[in-house]
Amino acid sequence: DVKVTQSSRYLVKRTGEKVFLECVQDMDHENMFWYRQDPGLGLRLIYFSYDVKMKEKGDIPEGYSVSREKKERFSLILESASTNQTSMYLCASKFSGVTLWDTQYFGPGTRLTVL
Amino acid sequence: QQPVQSPQAVILREGEDAVINCSSSKALYSVHWYRQKHGEAPVFLMILLKGGEQKGHEKISASFNEKKQQSSLYLTASQLSYSGTYFCGTEQKNSGNTPLVFGKGTRLSVIA
Repeated sequence: DVKVTQSSRYLVKRTGEKVFLECVQDMDHENMFWYRQDPGLGLRLIYFSYDVKMKEKGDIPEGYSVSREKKERFSLILESASTNQTSMYLCASKFSGVTLWDTQYFGPGTRLTVL
Repeated sequence: QQPVQSPQAVILREGEDAVINCSSSKALYSVHWYRQKHGEAPVFLMILLKGGEQKGHEKISASFNEKKQQSSLYLTASQLSYSGTYFCGTEQKNSGNTPLVFGKGTRLSVIA
């Protein structure tokens, strides 16, 4: 079974703090993704990475950065947290294949509250 | 281009059937269906590929109409465990590393 883990299920931070969200996958997947999920808006892509040290902006990258130093680990960084970044953050990983099993597998999510 | 899901929400009694639709204005290569229960990660249900056949998973199946660029998820004889939010994720090209673009979700509630 594919396993994607995230460092925290719940996180509370103050405005202006630097926040690190960590994601680790154990299936040697090339691709990793960060989404945020808000009521009524669905899943929106923040950043993704298709290889170590490679990154691509998603639909809503403003206020975020990412780091991928090892294949299994993809970090999302909020340089200076703001209240509008309060959300559920979901990490996903995917193998670079095109078969019926090559879909994105999600971690349990981190619910971040910025006060 | 975010796909459009309909309906936004549906309430069913146990044993009833439901259809959830996912439509795109762009040509699609694949449609991926997920179910998410409250407080949990989205769980993969099935993929529909361009040119593929209707897929099935227990009493949940799906189809992909290439002419309409629409996928439909069919839930038959619904059970309480089917409750959750269903998302479709779409790919426009067959590249292996393209992120899925998700619809806003359909909230399904099954009551006894």
